[in-house]
Amino acid sequence: QAGLTQPPSVSKDLGQTATLTCTGSFSNVGNLGAAWLQQHQGHPPKLLSHRRNSRPSGISERFSTSRSGNTASLTITGLQPEDEADYYCSAWDNSLRSWVFGGGTKLTVL
Amino acid sequence: EVQLFESGGGLVQPGGSLRLSCTASGFIFYNYDMTWVRQPPGKGLEWVASISGNGEYTFYADSARGRFSISRDNSGNILYLNAYGLTAEDTAVYYCAAKQVGPSYYFESWGQGTLASVSS
Repeated sequence: QAGLTQPPSVSKDLGQTATLTCTGSFSNVGNLGAAWLQQHQGHPPKLLSHRRNSRPSGISERFSTSRSGNTASLTITGLQPEDEADYYCSAWDNSLRSWVFGGGTKLTVL
Repeated sequence: EVQLFESGGGLVQPGGSLRLSCTASGFIFYNYDMTWVRQPPGKGLEWVASISGNGEYTFYADSARGRFSISRDNSGNILYLNAYGLTAEDTAVYYCAAKQVGPSYYFESWGQGTLASVSS
């Protein structure tokens, strides 16, 4: 199954804004949207946001999502040290009848 | 509170088999489709298999089809993954993840994971 495309790494300064991207196709991101997961080293993934910029309870408003065509974006404002983590996007592919993940973006907060 | 707890990982020889379990609590189990996702050491997340809330439908990644079998016991709130013919490429932390039945396309909750190592 073809995966979603994410940049391998992004580095930003403390307090700045980071925008992470996730590119798929119409059969996944473009049609059904993408979800975003945060994973700190040694821990399981945690849901950050899903379609229509919905955040689970307890997730900071500094995390927001959007979509343009087949590309989903995660924006993190006011970067904090604890935001340093791996970020993955996921989506259901309606044509392949399978889940697809991005390769992950390692966010470094300088 | 939704809780998922995986077990059954360990060291297995190439060609061997494993049965992973995921015990669920804090939610109505049959209202959730369940999925296994794995993560090889130092690598990204990889979908393995999914099963519908009532257990009627199953889906497999190409890498799992024919070797892995996903099943569930809704009376006991347990999800299973039987894995056969294991190779070193199957070495990974295996997570179970839950999504609500119906048109929701995200995993609400994840377990802590169980490590399966395939080595002689």
